Amino acid sequence: DTEVTQTPKHLVMGMTNKKSLKCEQHMGHRAMYWYKQKAKKPPELMFVYSYEKLSINESVPSRFSPECPNSSLLNLHLHALQPEDSALYLCASSQWTGNQPQHFGDGTRLSIL
Amino acid sequence: AQSVTQPDIHITVSEGASLELRCNYSYGATPYLFWYVQSPGQGLQLLLKYFSGDTLVQGIKGFEAEFKRSQSSFNLRKPSVHWSDAAEYFCAVGADNNNDMRFGAGTRLTVKP
Repeated sequence: DTEVTQTPKHLVMGMTNKKSLKCEQHMGHRAMYWYKQKAKKPPELMFVYSYEKLSINESVPSRFSPECPNSSLLNLHLHALQPEDSALYLCASSQWTGNQPQHFGDGTRLSIL
Repeated sequence: AQSVTQPDIHITVSEGASLELRCNYSYGATPYLFWYVQSPGQGLQLLLKYFSGDTLVQGIKGFEAEFKRSQSSFNLRKPSVHWSDAAEYFCAVGADNNNDMRFGAGTRLTVKP
């Protein structure tokens, strides 16, 4: 069982919809991450939150909007996505950033129609 | 910034045979090195990590890796592969002075009966 929980597991949405991906961890970790993973590719870092503050935004389009309401929760708000945004979205957490191993959720499989 | 190369895209081994997956990194200081495994439809699971000290690192599921500074390598090994080891394997490198971890392109392992 994974210690990082992501919901939903699957999401199909139209290009005009607004939806949110959710991630939760109860390990007391103070860093949380969003990654995007296309098929047969490694995860690509999107955002890093450190102590609930956004510390890295890897030039992600504004149609992706992260939110960290508290140290256990991380959301990714989606709006006006494009078909090329279809991918597996992975959340991860670590004790803090830098050299700490990251613990991953099982991801949300997102399909944009 | 740090980077990782995994030279082998796909490796096939027979069940019971030994396994070595290659990983080369590029980083000016002492790297923080990780191996992750990803089964289809799942997130990434940490197999092992190297921060400092003993250059031979033991991990979960019978895996080990050896850090060789002179070769900038961190190869993953297992003496006897099981069919359940079939998966995608990612090497990753982190650094003290930044907040992101860089993944290699991954090596897909197929296990023949």
